[in-house]
Amino acid sequence: RKEVEQDPGPFNVPEGATVAFNCTYSNSASQSFFWYRQDCRKEPKLLMSVYSSGNEDGRFTAQLNRASQYISLLIRDSKLSDSATYLCAVNIGTNAGKSTFGDGTTLTVKP
Amino acid sequence: DAGVIQSPRHEVTEMGQEVTLRCKPISGHDYLFWYRQTMMRGLELLIYFNNNVPIDDSGMPEDRFSAKMPNASFSTLKIQPSEPRDSAVYFCASRGTSGGYEQYFGPGTRLTVT
Repeated sequence: RKEVEQDPGPFNVPEGATVAFNCTYSNSASQSFFWYRQDCRKEPKLLMSVYSSGNEDGRFTAQLNRASQYISLLIRDSKLSDSATYLCAVNIGTNAGKSTFGDGTTLTVKP
Repeated sequence: DAGVIQSPRHEVTEMGQEVTLRCKPISGHDYLFWYRQTMMRGLELLIYFNNNVPIDDSGMPEDRFSAKMPNASFSTLKIQPSEPRDSAVYFCASRGTSGGYEQYFGPGTRLTVT
């Protein structure tokens, strides 16, 4: 079993739709969680850090469920420009030197 | 502020040749990571450094790969000899110690070995 798993998709949604992605992690010692966005042929860029209480940034909401060991990303009122691959990342342990990345979920928003 | 800088952006080489990829992390960041990304295997961590010291190189595929960080502002990833299966995008990323653990990626080097 992979340490971090994501549904690869693709998710094809119309503009304005609400879409949610989940990411599960296997190590209960995981401490820090992130969502990155990667556009085609570009580098991953941090979208959001995920805090215990959940956090929101505009149309994006990230949540953490430690009991079930998953994080989620909700995108409301999706835009064409949201089309990208979304990678989740997990750091394990208090030092948390490295992140383990999922394989990403591809989102395509259509007119 | 300058982000992570990588060079070259594209490299095409023949099998058996030596390839050297370069990275300049964000000033003040004390962690540096080398990743490889392919369609088949996703984003794989090859090695990471803390304060110029290699901490975990368990992701380095084999002895043909080596990485160095001679100072806080420069790192190299070398492949010698290169093979077609090394074709991938290689990303360098850095992060600081204060604040969160988020990483900042460079634009990547797209390597093609023929």
